[in-house]
Amino acid sequence: GAGVSQSPRYKVAKRGQDVALRCDPISGHVSLFWYQQALGQGPEFLTYFQNEAQLDKSGLPSDRFFAERPEGSVSTLKIQRTQQEDSAVYLCASSFASYNEQFFGPGTRLTVL
Amino acid sequence: GQQVMQIPQYQHVQEGEDFTTYCNSSTTLSNIQWYKQRPGGHPVFLIQLVKSGEVKKQKRLTFQFGEAKKNSSLHITATQTTDVGTYFCAGLREYGNKLVFGAGTILRVKS
Repeated sequence: GAGVSQSPRYKVAKRGQDVALRCDPISGHVSLFWYQQALGQGPEFLTYFQNEAQLDKSGLPSDRFFAERPEGSVSTLKIQRTQQEDSAVYLCASSFASYNEQFFGPGTRLTVL
Repeated sequence: GQQVMQIPQYQHVQEGEDFTTYCNSSTTLSNIQWYKQRPGGHPVFLIQLVKSGEVKKQKRLTFQFGEAKKNSSLHITATQTTDVGTYFCAGLREYGNKLVFGAGTILRVKS
């Protein structure tokens, strides 16, 4: 009955490394969102899933970013060949429907050196 | 694209004073949501407004949605130290499925 969980909580990567960030949404939540939050800014939309279908990926900043939710529950955000500008907190949120309140996870703080 | 502007960026008040943050969207919204993020924490849902001109209250917090469904405000009466954090509005465009967040208003309360 816990909320949204994310792992790892902190990730340090060397520039050029690939990283994978995991999100476990609240059980039964159909909608899953990924956001990127830079320091002092609001969350910026990256991508949206309804069950296993990725319905909107318009916020992904480049083709280095890839997200999946193969079984309609756990989701993974993968960043290939990380760059320094990828350093941010990556937030995952889930909800019953896309227009409902969203429940956020604690986030993964990614630092690219 | 859709933009959501939020002012002020930062406000520092004396405990007991009132606080208001304003949110304006470049497009008409189907609903607007408000979230609070404590320092080091993640956004936590406060409320959702759907109807034109809607006003909702939660204890000392009053939320309004404009008649044109393009602006909103959050007013806190008699702030307390527990109110500190960043308050975000987030707008959902009609027939859209993604929330667009404002940059947030940071509230600090001096006791």
